[in-house]
Amino acid sequence: DTGVSQDPRHKITKRGQNVTFRCDPISEHNRLYWYRQTLGQGPEFLTYFQNEAQLEKSRLLSDRFSAERPKGSFSTLEIQRTEQGDSAMYLCASSLLGISDTQYFGPGTRLTVL
Amino acid sequence: KNEVEQSPQNLTAQEGEFITINCSYSVGISALHWLQQHPGGGIVSLFMLSSGKKKHGRLIATINIQEKHSSLHITASHPRDSAVYICAVRTGGSNYKLTFGKGTLLTVNP
Repeated sequence: DTGVSQDPRHKITKRGQNVTFRCDPISEHNRLYWYRQTLGQGPEFLTYFQNEAQLEKSRLLSDRFSAERPKGSFSTLEIQRTEQGDSAMYLCASSLLGISDTQYFGPGTRLTVL
Repeated sequence: KNEVEQSPQNLTAQEGEFITINCSYSVGISALHWLQQHPGGGIVSLFMLSSGKKKHGRLIATINIQEKHSSLHITASHPRDSAVYICAVRTGGSNYKLTFGKGTLLTVNP
């Protein structure tokens, strides 16, 4: 158990619906990352936060995607108007700036868009 | 061409064999990570390297910065080592984001 939790673990939705995922990082970690992993591929960077500030967003993160980290604790990733191509595993990781850049990963949320 | 290439994509071994997984990258990096992913998604960090060699139990990771190449070795492999092994690089800057290879699926048969 790495200490990073994600909810839900699985989500099945119909195309066009909105979905929201939550990530709770290790409590003292100030950096939080979202990655997306499709079948047979390595994870791809989506966005990251340092405390509550969203400092970088990948071009993969279209305007249907939004992420927040209010108060610098948990984070949410919302996908609006889901498409079948959004089906993937969404991974969250956290790390502690200044100590090491070891990222601790959560178990992921597997999204299936029908 | 991906910035991070791994080989082989799939590897099957008999218990006890010595395993090598290779990673090549095409960009300047500040660190390279080896990670392990079991079925169901959980990813665990095994090593972070910026030079030389690291060892942890039966796992050894090496990196050659000049050749932009790293290897992960597993000695005396065991069926519980079966997993996907992923190489990832940090390309510098302040964001610490990782760029991942596609992974190597290792199956160790008893």
